[in-house]
Amino acid sequence: RKEVEQDPGPFNVPEGATVAFNCTYSNSASQSFFWYRQDCRKEPKLLMSVYSSGNEDGRFTAQLNRASQYISLLIRDSKLSDSATYLCVVIPANQAGTALIFGKGTTLSVSS
Amino acid sequence: DADVTQTPRNRITKTGKRIMLECSQTKGHDRMYWYRQDPGLGLRLIYYSFDVKDINKGEISDGYSVSRQAQAKFSLSLESAIPNQTALYFCATSRASGHVFTGELFFGEGSRLTVL
Repeated sequence: RKEVEQDPGPFNVPEGATVAFNCTYSNSASQSFFWYRQDCRKEPKLLMSVYSSGNEDGRFTAQLNRASQYISLLIRDSKLSDSATYLCVVIPANQAGTALIFGKGTTLSVSS
Repeated sequence: DADVTQTPRNRITKTGKRIMLECSQTKGHDRMYWYRQDPGLGLRLIYYSFDVKDINKGEISDGYSVSRQAQAKFSLSLESAIPNQTALYFCATSRASGHVFTGELFFGEGSRLTVL
């Protein structure tokens, strides 16, 4: 099992839809989790951290399920500008602040 | 101006040539990284450096070398380029361990390398 796995998609949704992505990780001792966003041919940028208690930033909600070893990203009221690739990122155990492990990404396409 | 600058942005070269990708940053971060991105494979870590005297291999360091010339500069070299090193290369920075690590990497805009 790979360290970080994501459904590559693409997820094709209309504007206004709610869409959710999951990401599974193999190392149960992993410490920190994040979602990054990457626009086509651009660099990745941090979207949000994922906290144990779950966290929300506007239309975006991130959740962590340690028991099942997955994190999720929920996007409500999708906008055209949400079209991008969403990368799940994990910091492995005993590697605090060092190399992040990136998932391959899930592609979202929002259409009008 | 970008906080993390990579040069060149695009390069086409031939098998066997030596190539250097350069990265400079104005963010004052101690930690710097080189990643490569391939379709279907995602971002993979090549090398990382926590300060000028610290160099660490990442997941896929074979065929690459790095130099940390100063806190702000981190270069990646391909001593003898081969076609399967064709990829999009990203430099990134983050804060040092003295700060709370927020998980945020700051990426450059990428260097697209094609090896023929």
